[in-house]
Amino acid sequence: GAVVSQHPSRVICKSGTSVKIECRSLDFQATTMFWYRQFPKKSLMLMATSNEGSKATYEQGVEKDKFLINHASLTLSTLTVTSAHPEDSSFYICSASFSGPFAQYFGPGTRLLVL
Amino acid sequence: AQTVTQSQPEMSVQEAETVTLSCTYDTSESDYYLFWYKQPPSRQMILVIRQEAYKQQNATENRFSVNFQKAAKSFSLKISDSQLGDAAMYFCAYYSGGSNYKLTFGKGTLLTVNP
Repeated sequence: GAVVSQHPSRVICKSGTSVKIECRSLDFQATTMFWYRQFPKKSLMLMATSNEGSKATYEQGVEKDKFLINHASLTLSTLTVTSAHPEDSSFYICSASFSGPFAQYFGPGTRLLVL
Repeated sequence: AQTVTQSQPEMSVQEAETVTLSCTYDTSESDYYLFWYKQPPSRQMILVIRQEAYKQQNATENRFSVNFQKAAKSFSLKISDSQLGDAAMYFCAYYSGGSNYKLTFGKGTLLTVNP
C-alpha cells in the first residue's frame, strides 16, 4: 500500500513552454503533498508544501509564479513549470503524507529537460 | 533552524560486511523524528528506518539498525551483511513537528558495495 505515482516520468520541452507534472496517491488520501527538486548527486530541496483545497506554501527563494502548484483533491497534486528555461532542467519529486511524519511516501520522480 | 549533517559524502563496503553511515543534527526540540531514506539509481526514495526521539530503544529493520544518541544528537545507520542491492544514496532526515510534516534532509552519503 501507500503508492505514489508521478506522470510523466520524463519530459523534454522547448524553452518558453509550460510543463505540468502530476502526482497521485493511488491507494490513500493525501492530506499533504510536497514537491522537491533534486540536482545530480545532491540532496532533495523542498520547493513547496500543499494541503488539499488551500494554497501551497512555498519555500524561500522559490518563485510561486513560476512553479504553480495545485492540490485539487486528496489524491492529486500538480506542479506546473511556467515558461520553462534550461535552468529549470532538473529532477522533480513529489511525496504525499496522510497520517504524520512517518507516512511520507515518495513518487518515482520526473526528469525535466528544457532545451 | 534545524540542520542535518552527513559528514561522509561517499562510503564503500565489501559485500557481506558491515558499514556505518553517520548523521548528526542540530535542534532545540525535545520531541522529534529521525529517518534514513535510501535512493537507489532508479531515484525512487525508499524509507529504510525511522526513530522516534522519545524512544530510548534503537530502531531495527532486518539488516538495518540505528545508533541513536540523543544527547550527542547523533543518528547513525548500520547496515549488516551488506548486499549489492544496498548500493545507493542514503539520506538522513529530521522532523520536529507542525502540521505540515516537513522533512529536513542531509546532503546524503553515496554507498558503494564492492563484490
